[in-house]
Amino acid sequence: DAGVIQSPRHEVTEMGQEVTLRCKPISGHNSLFWYRQTMMRGLELLIYFNNNVPIDDSGMPEDRFSAKMPNASFSTLKIQPSEPRDSAVYFCASSMGLAGGPTQYFGPGTRLLVL
Amino acid sequence: AQKITQTQPGMFVQEKEAVTLDCTYDTSDPSYGLFWYKQPSSGEMIFLIYQGSYDQQNATEGRYSLNFQKARKSANLVISASQLGDSAMYFCAMRENLRLGANSKLTFGKGITLSVRP
Repeated sequence: DAGVIQSPRHEVTEMGQEVTLRCKPISGHNSLFWYRQTMMRGLELLIYFNNNVPIDDSGMPEDRFSAKMPNASFSTLKIQPSEPRDSAVYFCASSMGLAGGPTQYFGPGTRLLVL
Repeated sequence: AQKITQTQPGMFVQEKEAVTLDCTYDTSDPSYGLFWYKQPSSGEMIFLIYQGSYDQQNATEGRYSLNFQKARKSANLVISASQLGDSAMYFCAMRENLRLGANSKLTFGKGITLSVRP
């Protein structure tokens, strides 16, 4: 079975540009999570969806960040405009929910560098 | 207060020996889950093992076992017969509010670096 798919794997952009990160969760999983990993703050949740509905976006840094999940097989995380402090690894994870076990499975991550 | 604490400095272990990576947690929720993930230098997050707060027995997955001491709020990972490929960063994480139908985020510790010596 395919795992969580993220694209792009690497992104280098200039400050002020729009960045869109994409995620395809594992088929059949009904929860999707966006995490960010930095040296300073470690791994932190940005937002998560349950059945395509955003449940908790308290970790989204500011209005420059937005996330959507238009259907069960696709989600985007957008940063507009990007800033150097957004440089990090962004992970998408999915979970089947408690009926199938609470484990979250992570994608390979997108390494973002904002110059 | 931190919910997940991993305080060990970088750990070293000789190949084929066992190693224990420490994790303590803090929660008042009676229903929670504890997880360990491995992050090798390539960067991906690999799920290793899970322990539920109501599980009676310690979880095991191959060479990985979880030493769960509920009263002490610790969930240490034991890796037996270490291999060179075990060299990585290891993260302990907790998911609270683990009731049927509820979903919640993972809260991660800061991680522990493990180096396996040949």
